[in-house]
Formats: sequence, C-alpha cells, structure tokens
Amino acid sequence: KQEVTQIPAALSVPEGENLVLNCSFTDSAIYNLQWFRQDPGKGLTSLLLIQSSQREQTSGRLNASLDKSSGRSTLYIAASQPGDSATYLCAVAPYNNNDMRFGAGTRLTVKP
Amino acid sequence: GAVVSQHPSRVICKSGTSVKIECRSLDFQATTMFWYRQFPKKSLMLMATSNEGSKATYEQGVEKDKFLINHASLTLSTLTVTSAHPEDSSFYICSARRDREETQYFGPGTRLLVL
Repeated sequence: KQEVTQIPAALSVPEGENLVLNCSFTDSAIYNLQWFRQDPGKGLTSLLLIQSSQREQTSGRLNASLDKSSGRSTLYIAASQPGDSATYLCAVAPYNNNDMRFGAGTRLTVKP
Repeated sequence: GAVVSQHPSRVICKSGTSVKIECRSLDFQATTMFWYRQFPKKSLMLMATSNEGSKATYEQGVEKDKFLINHASLTLSTLTVTSAHPEDSSFYICSARRDREETQYFGPGTRLLVL
C-alpha cells in the first residue's frame, strides 16, 4: 500500500529565503505526482503536476522535481514571501489514477 | 475552466441528524468524482470514488450505509452523512475528473461540525 511522507511537518523561514519541501513515497509505480497548496480551512489549489515520465515542472517561483526510482519529490520555492504561508501537500496517483495518496503536509510560515 | 464547487461550505448539525453535501463541476462534465475526508493536521483520505450513473466504490473502512454517495448527473455528486455523530466532524473535500483526463479538480471543502 502506497505511503506518502512529507518532511518537515512544519517550517518557518524569513521572507526572501529559498526553501525546499520534501515528499517521499514507498511505491514507485506511480502515474503522476502533484503538489497542492492548502490555506487554513480551505480546499486545495493544485500547484504543479509531474507525470511519471518527467523529472521536473516549473511554475513561477516554484519548481518541483521527481525521482521516481528513489521515491522522492521536492518542491523548491524561491524568494519566499509571506503570502506563501500555507500547508503544502504532495499526492501520488497510481496508474488507474483513482486512489490518490496524500502526505500529511508541510505547514510553511514565511515571516515578514 | 475546471471549477468545482461545494455546498455548504460549513455546516453545524445535531447528533443523529443527516447532512447532505453537494459537489458540482461548474464548467465541465465530470465522469468521476471523489470524496475525501481530512482530520485536523492530517492528510486527506479517500473515502469513495463515484462514476456517473453507477454505485460508488468505497475505500476499506468507510461505511457505505453511513456515507451515502449519489452521482446522478455528470455535474453533481452528493455525500450524505446519515445519523451524524461528533466523530464525523471533519473537513470533507470532493474532486472531479473529466473523462480520459488525469487531473482531479478539487472543491473548496465543507467543514462539518456535529454537536
């Protein structure tokens, strides 16, 4: 059964710092991996989706990488801003793309 | 495009009552919809997968008689929490997916509090 782990559980950084969030998964037979942002009490906003055949995806200040063989993904946030404060979730989808498995998230606080 | 809405966004009910949560795909037809549950500071857990016009497939440990799911049209799925109890209090999120697409589009979630 696929298990997804995110480290650290919480992270606090000063504004402007570059940071990396980590996600690991136990079963490398995935269809894709997705990073989401969740604000307190809100739903999910999809940030980046990486297909199993891809190594990375970029959107603005965000860059996500995927190393399927080692079961790892990272989300890199450049020049962090207070507005980036949120919980970041990664999720992996199996080949039937139904049973997405989520990590518990990393709660990021960017201090002004 | 690809907007998913949920209604209500927040609901408080008394123990023993039933609560219905709606999930709508506003600008696309969703052949498959998913219902997730999230406990505080925990990850989302898939509860069930529903395909339009057929019975939902429930994950292990999810009581189908307690969490009734109906996907009667290509734009609407409902989750009814029957005879709700305080332990059912949680954040419920739905997602929807177009036919032959891989991306799931998530709704904003519904916070349920059972007193």
